[in-house]
Amino acid sequence: DSGVTQTPKHLITATGQRVTLRCSPRSGDLSVYWYQQSLDQGLQFLIHYYNGEERAKGNILERFSAQQFPDLHSELNLSSLELGDSALYFCASSVGTMNEKLFFGSGTQLSVL
Amino acid sequence: AQKITQTQPGMFVQEKEAVTLDCTYDTSDQSYGLFWYKQPSSGEMIFLIYQGSYDEQNATEGRYSLNFQKARKSANLVISASQLGDSAMYFCAMREGSHTGTASKLTFGTGTRLQVTL
Repeated sequence: DSGVTQTPKHLITATGQRVTLRCSPRSGDLSVYWYQQSLDQGLQFLIHYYNGEERAKGNILERFSAQQFPDLHSELNLSSLELGDSALYFCASSVGTMNEKLFFGSGTQLSVL
Repeated sequence: AQKITQTQPGMFVQEKEAVTLDCTYDTSDQSYGLFWYKQPSSGEMIFLIYQGSYDEQNATEGRYSLNFQKARKSANLVISASQLGDSAMYFCAMREGSHTGTASKLTFGTGTRLQVTL
């Protein structure tokens, strides 16, 4: 167990809908990262938050947004969902921004039908 | 250009044997980090080992060791005494640009699926 908690584990929804994925980092970790894993794109970095502030953005669509709350948990919001958004979404955490180890949660499997 | 290249889509190894999973990387940064993660069929990403670009010794974590050859830009994972539970997808990843503040991003390779046989 990495200590990073992601909910829900599975999510099935329809095109056009909006969903929220939740992540609780390991105790003491201030950084939260979101990654998307799909068969055609592999593992792609989406966004990084550190202590509530956005620090880096990757290949995140405009339909997607994220935030990190004062208690350090993070949410990834996906809206106007398309079939191609079906993927495994990972959250990872680390102590700071330069820490060498990133610990991943078990992921949320999103299926858009 | 690919930042991380894993040329072995699949590998087989017999139980108790050692296996090497290849990874080459491309960066112009002097400061970077290299990681290996294991993804079993259950889906979670498990951290295995880390090597910093300035580390002079190869990293080791139990049965895992990282064969770091800086001049060749390779960071191969060696698993000794393979076990059935090692069957999984293995990803090599790189963090670069720590001096620019972009250290947060990991770039992943496409992975190698390892199957351990009896």
